[in-house]
Amino acid sequence: NAGVTQTPKFQVLKTGQSMTLQCAQDMNHEYMSWYRQDPGMGLRLIHYSVGAGITDQGEVPNGYNVSRSTTEDFPLRLLSAAPSQTSVYFCASSYPGQGAVGELFFGEGSRLTVL
Amino acid sequence: AQKVTQAQTEISVVEKEDVTLDCVYETRDTTYYLFWYKQPPSGELVFLIRRNSFDEQNEISGRYSWNFQKSTSSFNFTITASQVVDSAVYFCALIRGGSEKLVFGKGTKLTVNP
Repeated sequence: NAGVTQTPKFQVLKTGQSMTLQCAQDMNHEYMSWYRQDPGMGLRLIHYSVGAGITDQGEVPNGYNVSRSTTEDFPLRLLSAAPSQTSVYFCASSYPGQGAVGELFFGEGSRLTVL
Repeated sequence: AQKVTQAQTEISVVEKEDVTLDCVYETRDTTYYLFWYKQPPSGELVFLIRRNSFDEQNEISGRYSWNFQKSTSSFNFTITASQVVDSAVYFCALIRGGSEKLVFGKGTKLTVNP
């Protein structure tokens, strides 16, 4: 089982460049989300989606866009990268059933450096 | 607003010692869920346990145990007879009922030395 797949694993950008972090899951999960992890800050929710065509903002959405055209994919776009977006990004998915609430399956993470 | 506080930033123990990781949460919701996730040095995040707000029974799984006390808004995690493989960052998290938006604490880095 592939689970949640993120690409790329590492990326270096210059300030102002744009890029897309890809996330795909093969578990038919309705819920997908993006978190960023910074030293001493834990994980913070950027954007999330409860199903295809539905997205919403999390705690730190500024500078990021998302879309959810299919159940499987949830890309995260940085339109104009800033050094403050240097972080490790995690994509996660879950099936929001009664017995599985909050049980997120995470990708391996994408380490982004903005110079 | 929901908040999770893990006051211990780093803990270092010697193998076979018992260690408790503290977690204090804040929420106004009556229905919520609490979690612990583990992030080993390899970087992936792994779900360990979920507890709902109506179930204050303690849970034991092998060397791991969890103590949920609503009176003190705490959900502490104890590792008995720690092992080097327990070295990781541990995150406590909270979710309100009906949501899938996890709020994480800042994590506690546990180092178990041989």
